[in-house]
Amino acid sequence: NAGVMQNPRHLVRRRGQEARLRCSPMKGHSHVYWYRQLPEEGLKFMVYLQKENIIDESGMPKERFSAEFPKEGPSILRIQQVVRGDSAAYFCASSPGLAGGPRETQYFGPGTRLLVL
Amino acid sequence: GQNIDQPTEMTATEGAIVQINCTYQTSGFNGLFWYQQHAGEAPTFLSYNVLDGLEEKGRFSSFLSRSKGYSYLLLKELQMKDSASYLCAVRGDSGGYQKVTFGIGTKLQVIP
Repeated sequence: NAGVMQNPRHLVRRRGQEARLRCSPMKGHSHVYWYRQLPEEGLKFMVYLQKENIIDESGMPKERFSAEFPKEGPSILRIQQVVRGDSAAYFCASSPGLAGGPRETQYFGPGTRLLVL
Repeated sequence: GQNIDQPTEMTATEGAIVQINCTYQTSGFNGLFWYQQHAGEAPTFLSYNVLDGLEEKGRFSSFLSRSKGYSYLLLKELQMKDSASYLCAVRGDSGGYQKVTFGIGTKLQVIP
């Protein structure tokens, strides 16, 4: 049973380019979460998605960042016109979507390390 | 909103016991999670508490007191590989749904 998959694991971009990060949730999971983590810092919530719906994007910068979770295929976090400050580890997590049941647990993918030169 | 506090760093000796505390404030509390994160890796799920009391899982135990807004993670027979950050996360009402919010994490260093 495969866990949460993220690719690429490492991504290098020059300032002004676009970064596209992919996340495939665990089998049977329909909820996806994206987090950003800077070195030696905590996880910062960015966005929470269900299939074809953005539920909460309160942690995502309003400009240059977008996320989607289409009916088919992985969830995508897109960063346009990257700047050096976007360099970070981006983690995706998924959960089953048990209608908010108490044991709903997020499981994390290995992360994508983005480096902006 | 939700507020979570935990110490930023702790040091403990191999073979000893360490307790990592977490206090929280939230409305509509519906569960507390502990995760372990080794440097450069993803967080991995350790434990879940929703009722008061102690949940034991091998060398790791997690305790919850809802009335006090308090939890701790207890690590026994510490091993060098336990050096990691330990994240406390709380589920509660925020933004119109049951949101999980992560604390900043406690960086534990195990020394020989």
